[in-house]
Amino acid sequence: DGGITQSPKYLFRKEGQNVTLSCEQNLNHDAMYWYRQDPGQGLRLIYYSQIVNDFQKGDIAEGYSVSREKKESFPLTVTSAQKNPTAFYLCASRYWAGEKLFFGSGTQLSVL
Amino acid sequence: GIQVEQSPPDLILQEGANSTLRCNFSDSVNNLQWFHQNPWGQLINLFYIPSGTKQNGRLSATTVATERYSLLYISSSQTTDSGVYFCAASPQGGSEKLVFGKGTKLTVNP
Repeated sequence: DGGITQSPKYLFRKEGQNVTLSCEQNLNHDAMYWYRQDPGQGLRLIYYSQIVNDFQKGDIAEGYSVSREKKESFPLTVTSAQKNPTAFYLCASRYWAGEKLFFGSGTQLSVL
Repeated sequence: GIQVEQSPPDLILQEGANSTLRCNFSDSVNNLQWFHQNPWGQLINLFYIPSGTKQNGRLSATTVATERYSLLYISSSQTTDSGVYFCAASPQGGSEKLVFGKGTKLTVNP
């Protein structure tokens, strides 16, 4: 089945540790996105990528890094510089600007 | 940047009731979408509707781009409609960035 797969579903981070969230899509979508959702809040854009080997910062990129080495994959690293990483992280993708956006099932990141 | 505001923030209905959710945006848009987030966090795209009206079963949406608002109608609501409804928009000018509102939390009681 076509879709967007995020893993793991739950992730725990220790102080000073970097962690990587996986996002894979087999929809042949061009653009991929990472959003952060805090309880009771809307979604805020962290990073997005329109093509392989290119990505742009969103509104809250500090403390995060991404790569786009393959069209299907857009991993997000939460670095130790992100002081408040506890949140629900959502990956999304779509064919091109103006098209419908589709989401993965999310990763809940918590700090130990 | 573009501002997206949704109302009401919370809505409680009895099963079978109808409802209207509103989304206002501060600038002209070339992309307006509605999403439903279920209690487990999954976001489902309901409509891509930068202008005009669309219907999908009990749900319909209308965007009046010239007046900078969009409406989501839910008729004959069911308990499975519960969750949070988000609208998201990106401004004209080709921006890739979809800006989300804070959502309307809908609770449908049996």
